[in-house]
Amino acid sequence: EVQLVESGGGLVQPGRSLRLSCAASGFTFDDFAMHWVRQAPGQGLEWVAGISWNTGSVAYGDSVKGRFTISRDNAKNSLYLQMYSLRVEDTALYYCAKGARGAAAFDWFDPWGQGTQVTVSS
Amino acid sequence: QSALTQPASVSGSPGQSITISCTGTSGDVGSYNLVSWYQHHPGKAPKLMIYEGSKRPSGVSNRFSGSKSDNTASLTISGLQAEDEADYYCCSYAGSSTYANYVFGTGTKVTVL
Repeated sequence: EVQLVESGGGLVQPGRSLRLSCAASGFTFDDFAMHWVRQAPGQGLEWVAGISWNTGSVAYGDSVKGRFTISRDNAKNSLYLQMYSLRVEDTALYYCAKGARGAAAFDWFDPWGQGTQVTVSS
Repeated sequence: QSALTQPASVSGSPGQSITISCTGTSGDVGSYNLVSWYQHHPGKAPKLMIYEGSKRPSGVSNRFSGSKSDNTASLTISGLQAEDEADYYCCSYAGSSTYANYVFGTGTKVTVL
């Protein structure tokens, strides 16, 4: 069974940094792209970032470009999201999701983890 | 990139059929046959229901079907059941000059009366 378990969320002040992790199991991790998707309180889903199977290609949503960095360690079956210069509007539940392809382009998301909560507040 | 437009809510009685629309632009829904649909029960992980516009993953009921016409994609739930009550989101690949980009819909709350 495919499992994705996010961790690393918490309460952080505006302008600070935070690193999220996603531990994957139940599939050949380095065969698939991975993505981060978030949901702000009372809002809809927003794609945050994606990374190809071999880390060769990454992409970001406009609202996080230049502030967030997605990475992966295939030896550890782990996905990461390093978040810098956090803003109040980054407050959200952050989900890790497995892609259906090796490339993060032309993809869809299945399955998803349960999410980790990030709250940015002074 | 603007969110795809979905109705805020749709309701139906058990056994009825409902359709959720998802309207984008020629730059996303209209350009790619890459719309996916997700069911989200509060407090749980979102679940893929449809991919590539009309394909169902293994294990998803055939009561769920997807289609697309021009810039609008649709999700139809037939034989509505109580467990179908949830939020539903469409998502489209939106191309990009920087490798990849995706846009989600605004979300639709489905209520089973």
